[in-house]
Amino acid sequence: GQNIDQPTEMTATEGAIVQINCTYQTSGFNGLFWYQQHAGEAPTFLSYNVLDGLEEKGRFSSFLSRSKGYSYLLLKELQMKDSASYLCAVRDGDYKLSFGAGTTVTVRA
Amino acid sequence: IAGITQAPTSQILAAGRRMTLRCTQDMRHNAMYWYRQDLGLGLRLIHYSNTAGTTGKGEVPDGYSVSRANTDDFPLTLASAVPSQTSVYFCASSEGTGHSYEQYFGPGTRLTVT
Repeated sequence: GQNIDQPTEMTATEGAIVQINCTYQTSGFNGLFWYQQHAGEAPTFLSYNVLDGLEEKGRFSSFLSRSKGYSYLLLKELQMKDSASYLCAVRDGDYKLSFGAGTTVTVRA
Repeated sequence: IAGITQAPTSQILAAGRRMTLRCTQDMRHNAMYWYRQDLGLGLRLIHYSNTAGTTGKGEVPDGYSVSRANTDDFPLTLASAVPSQTSVYFCASSEGTGHSYEQYFGPGTRLTVT
């Protein structure tokens, strides 16, 4: 089976930086995705990593180390609208996505 | 507006009843998926279809069936609902299964089985 771990909750102040870690053990690896999900809404795509290193997209960056089975999502210059759940998902050897339980980020003024 | 639609938005269903959740996409995506989302467990794959005419079982397929008669529609059927199927159900689609093809999610169906 697949095992994807991420912290349950994180709290940060508006304007600060938060790093959400994700560790995984899966049957094969064909990429790692991060999704954002606001309460009561559908998940929306944030980032994709398949090679080691950092992918930057505006205020959000995602990092991958395949040898360590590790990724993180970095949210910079936090805004109140960033309060949401962030889902780490790994595409396995069969090209199926397995999701972590999600990290709920609360941004405080 | 292009995207994925799901129906109904929410439903309360008596145990033992049959129910079909509908999902339609207009992006001409090849692959479609059904997930359920439960508190503390995250999204779990129920069934998937890599292309019209084919389907496969995901992580939690028991009690559910799907069909993919055409590219746009991917209905999920609960033959005889049980309370443990109370969940939020999301349909998703992607252009393909590899590369950087992300999945696009529908708005979800909140199902309560009593």
